[in-house]
Amino acid sequence: GEDVEQSLFLSVREGDSSVINCTYTDSSSTYLYWYKQEPGAGLQLLTYIFSNMDMKQDQRLTVLLNKKDKHLSLRIADTQTGDSAIYFCAETPNDYKLSFGAGTTVTVRA
Amino acid sequence: EAQVTQNPRYLITVTGKKLTVTCSQNMNHEYMSWYRQDPGLGLRQIYYSMNVEVTDKGDVPEGYKVSRKEKRNFPLILESPSPNQTSLYFCASSSVGSADTQYFGPGTRLTVL
Repeated sequence: GEDVEQSLFLSVREGDSSVINCTYTDSSSTYLYWYKQEPGAGLQLLTYIFSNMDMKQDQRLTVLLNKKDKHLSLRIADTQTGDSAIYFCAETPNDYKLSFGAGTTVTVRA
Repeated sequence: EAQVTQNPRYLITVTGKKLTVTCSQNMNHEYMSWYRQDPGLGLRQIYYSMNVEVTDKGDVPEGYKVSRKEKRNFPLILESPSPNQTSLYFCASSSVGSADTQYFGPGTRLTVL
């Protein structure tokens, strides 16, 4: 089946690291994604990881993938107020579809 | 500038009044898709299209129609809108076989009274 789960809310202090977790069900997904949605805006691709990788780092972002447990995480280092947004985890059950989680609302407090 | 555009961005309508939300992309993408976003449910796919004249149902197609007469356009049609179709709608496009980059439009917020 196609079921992506993530916690709904995360509150983090400015300057700390944020970790957003996601579990997925489709082990055949070629890519796994993180999208960011700022208030009133559309979705922006933040980063993605190939399913044959364990980790991907891109500046302040670190993606960890545990294929055995079907667990994906996104770590944001030195979280800033501009990081306040909804973060969606998504898997690709086929080449033509994204299956999204419900989204994690990240609130950065001073 | 590569982009996906949607119109209108906001719409308030009444039950049963047919409406169309347009989607257009300028990247010559074969694949286009419509999603709806509801609180606590994330984005769910409504319909998708692999190319001109090729469309297929997503996870929640009931109450919606689409057409793909031209490569750049993929309108979403609600023949008889109902209040449970009040939602935020996103159009997306990508090259076929390149699931790594789906470009999303800015969204259309629809309210059906």
